[in-house]
Amino acid sequence: EDKVVQSPLSLVVHEGDTVTLNCSYEVTNFRSLLWYKQEKKAPTFLFMLTSSGIEKKSGRLSSILDKKELFSILNITATQTGDSAIYLCAAMEYGNKLVFGAGTILRVKS
Amino acid sequence: NAGVTQTPKFRILKIGQSMTLQCTQDMNHNYMYWYRQDPGMGLKLIYYSVGAGITDKGEVPNGYNVSRSTTEDFPLRLELAAPSQTSVYFCASSYSIVYNEQFFGPGTRLTVL
Repeated sequence: EDKVVQSPLSLVVHEGDTVTLNCSYEVTNFRSLLWYKQEKKAPTFLFMLTSSGIEKKSGRLSSILDKKELFSILNITATQTGDSAIYLCAAMEYGNKLVFGAGTILRVKS
Repeated sequence: NAGVTQTPKFRILKIGQSMTLQCTQDMNHNYMYWYRQDPGMGLKLIYYSVGAGITDKGEVPNGYNVSRSTTEDFPLRLELAAPSQTSVYFCASSYSIVYNEQFFGPGTRLTVL
């Protein structure tokens, strides 16, 4: 059965801290790994990773994929209260179907 | 562009009632998806469509039906609502297999009592 496991399930940090969120996957016909940020409503897209070892960056966020070990990490540096959200990892299979993990709840305290 | 829109935003149903959740996208995307999200859980795929007239089951299709008569619309039908269908429902769309970032609608919060 396809599955995506995220860790930790929840995390509380202080502003300015750096956090690393983990995602491991077991998916047949794997194509890409996606990260989404979910605040109160719909998930919003952060990154899509298709190749191993190539870091993608957007401001204070970065992510990398290891297709040999079947995992990805999402790093957030210099965290801010606005980073508080649920971070969802999803593995994309051929046919564009996404298998989601349960998410990591991040709370950044001021 | 409005993106992906969903109606209604909230709905309370009684057991055994039926309803249709509407989803429309104006981005000319071929692929559309329905997910449900239960508290503390990730999103689970209910049904998806790769184009008008083509639909297929996802991970949790039981109790639901879909149709895709146009590129823009992808309604989700609940025929006999059950408490287990209490959830938040998200519709999403993507352009193609190559440009496959999925864009999500704002969600419909459904409660079945």
